[in-house]
Parts: sequence; structure tokens; C-alpha cells
Amino acid sequence: SQQGEEDPQALSIQEGENATMNCSYKTSINNLQWYRQNSGRGLVHLILIRSNEREKHSGRLRVTLDTSKKSSSLLITASRAADTASYFCATSDYGKLTFGQGTILTVHP
Amino acid sequence: EAGVAQSPRYKIIEKRQSVAFWCNPISGHATLYWYQQILGQGPKLLIQFQNNGVVDDSQLPKDRFSAERLKGVDSTLKIQPAKLEDSAVYLCASSSLRGGPQPQHFGDGTRLSIL
Repeated sequence: SQQGEEDPQALSIQEGENATMNCSYKTSINNLQWYRQNSGRGLVHLILIRSNEREKHSGRLRVTLDTSKKSSSLLITASRAADTASYFCATSDYGKLTFGQGTILTVHP
Repeated sequence: EAGVAQSPRYKIIEKRQSVAFWCNPISGHATLYWYQQILGQGPKLLIQFQNNGVVDDSQLPKDRFSAERLKGVDSTLKIQPAKLEDSAVYLCASSSLRGGPQPQHFGDGTRLSIL
């Protein structure tokens, strides 16, 4: 069963704009991870946030985690056409990942 | 470092036939995973190995799916006999056992079509 629910299911923006994707989950977690998947390729790890962390940055990525609301968000700033991909959150329970349905992001040049 | 290698990239078979997928993880990664990703969905874990032992196979349809990881390195996933609902991308991933939570590294998958 899918643990995470991403919102929105699809997002279309112009280059240079920011993109925000949200993820909600149901059970307690050890950490939460975000992955990107380009069409026809495998998943690429973007960022990992532990359950005792509230915010984490990596380059143009900013992830927040609110364990009281069981939710996380991924912000991509100054988006580029190359950011076009599907983005998945995955909750981790001691190594076992449970993925959500994903958000399809399209960045128009 | 070389990434996770999977083969074949594509496979088309008829229902009730058998098929096998191969995965070579990143060198030194003790943990290996097989996922099934149906179109429009996130990956679903089928089986997790640590070295050559099974850690979790609770979502593996054991009446038709089998997997092995001989010598704790390469792994094969087999489906016999295949059903139409098995059409999906089969992804292999690996991770290290260094201290603390580790990201998973994925191969590009095998796209399986059942006719």
C-alpha cells in the first residue's frame, strides 16, 4: 500500500518560477526522502530529512518536515526545464521505503 | 562509481510465459531491493536482501515471483507464469550499510509488457 500522498498530482510552471510539492503520510517514520524520476529512467535520490529535523536545504531544494501534521514539502527554487520529471516522497521505516504516487512537474522554457 | 546495472531494458512476453531480470548493484552495497512500478504509480517494494539473506518479502507474490541473490552480489528476479497485471517496470536498487540512514541508488529498470 502507498504510505505517502503527493499533492498536486501534476504541476506546470514557467522556467524561473518556484515549484512546491507536498507529501502527507499516515504512520510514524524514521526519515523521509525525496526522489526524482526522469521519463524512462530510475529514481535519483534528492534529499533525506530525519524525523527530528524540521528543514533541510540542498542547492535549489528546500525540504520541510512537520511530524505533528505528518506532512512534508519540497520546494524547488528558480526552476529550469531540466527539472521536468516526476517527484516522489518516500517514508522510511528502518530501511524500508514506501513511496507515494508522485507529482509530475513540467517546467516550460 | 558505477551505478546499478539492470538487464534487459525491455521485455515483451505472452501471458503464462516466464521471464527473468538481472541486477548488479553498486560495488560494496550490502542491501539490494527489487521494486515494481506500475504506470502512473510510485514503486512498490517486492523484496529486500541484506547480503544474501531476505529481510522483507511480504509483498512478493510468492506463487509466481521468486528472487535470489547468490554470493550477496548480483540478483535475479523471476516471474513464472506471467499475468497481464505484471506489466510494469521492475526496478533494482542498492544501498550501503554505513551508519545512519542511507539513500537508495536505482537502476534504470526493466520495462515488462505482457501480451
